[in-house]
Formats: sequence, structure tokens, C-alpha cells
Amino acid sequence: DIQMTQSPSSLSASIGDRVTITCRASQSISSYLNWYQQKLGKAPKLLIYAASSLQSGVPSRFSGSGSGTDFTLTISSLQPEDFATYYCQESYNTLLYTFGQGTKLEIK
Amino acid sequence: EVLLMQSGAEVKKPGESLKISCKAFGYSFSNYWIAWVRQMPGQGLEWMGVIYPGDSDTIYSPSFQGQVTISADKSISTTYLKWSSLKASDSAMYYCARRNDATYYYAMDVWGQGTTVTVSS
Repeated sequence: DIQMTQSPSSLSASIGDRVTITCRASQSISSYLNWYQQKLGKAPKLLIYAASSLQSGVPSRFSGSGSGTDFTLTISSLQPEDFATYYCQESYNTLLYTFGQGTKLEIK
Repeated sequence: EVLLMQSGAEVKKPGESLKISCKAFGYSFSNYWIAWVRQMPGQGLEWMGVIYPGDSDTIYSPSFQGQVTISADKSISTTYLKWSSLKASDSAMYYCARRNDATYYYAMDVWGQGTTVTVSS
């Protein structure tokens, strides 16, 4: 099984800050890495697919990078609506995808 | 509009059976895999399994194999998640989600709103 490890597990930041979340796969997954945002009490929402492609309608302050085993999600300037939990997910394994454990982004 | 609409919250007793649903709108239902994802209270997302509605091909995560049954009825664009005997540990939020194709590197691009299942005596 592919293991996905996110860091940090929680993060405090201020409005306007630049924030980076990392995700590491236990084996190479090429660019089959997706990022989701989940706000409290809501379903997850796709932000980034294929490691760096922005989903339609997602603000350009979100960006993704990486390939192989190491990936990052960056928010260039935090907005109030960005405080949420973020999950990475590999879609490399055949139909048995694994999520990272999540990173909770809180207001400082 | 492409969306997945899930059935409402359920409260059940241990040992009871349950079937929750996820109905698709706005796209060719038969041609996209649908996954079920569990989120226990205060916890992360867990992949339970997937189904291809076109031919009902189903793959379960080892952690959920034998614990639940995933099915689909393409005549009404609906997938189901079923338990034959619920346990308290099945209390969670359950999401269905569409897996997009290779162009999207198989990301889950559409999610249902979630169904809360509470199992308590």
C-alpha cells in the first residue's frame, strides 16, 4: 500500500501569510497527487489535481508542485475563507487511493 | 450542473441493516467510477471502495471488504452503500465522490454532501 504523510498536522497563520503544506508518498506516484480543502461540516472540495493543475473556479493564490514522492500545496496570501483542513490524496494506485492524514489550518 | 445528492441522516441501533444512497445528476452516470469515503468524528478521510456503474465492477479497500456492500442501479443513476449488521463503530459521515478520468489524473472532482450515520443503542 502507498502511504501518504502530510506535514504539519496543524498550522497557525495570519491573514496575508504565505503558507506551505507538504505531502510525501511512500513510493513514487509520478504526478498522481491531488489536494482537497474541507471546511467544517462540509464535503471535501478538489483544489489541485495532477500535482499542479488548478481545478476550475479555485482562486489562483492556491498552487501545487512536486512529482515522484514529494509535493507541496502553497497558499500565496491567506484569506479568511482559507481556514480549513487540507488533504492530499494519491490517485496512482489502481482504484484504491490513499489520503494523507490532513493539515488543519487555523487563524493565529 | 454536475452533482451528487446523498440520502439523509440515519439513526440506527446496533445489529440493524442500512442502505444509503448517492444519486448523480448532470453527466453520463455509467461512465465514471464512484467512490465511497468514510470520515469518523474528528478524523480524516478513508477510502472504502469504488464502483463502475456501467458494469457494477466493484473494488473494496481491504479494511472494508466484507464489512459493507457497494452497488449501483444505472437505470436511476444511483449508487448505494449497505450494511447488513451495523456496529457502533460504523457511526461516521459517509461521502460519495466521482472519480474523473485520465485527463484529471483520476482526481475526485464531484462530492456528495455527505450522509451522517449514527449507531447507538
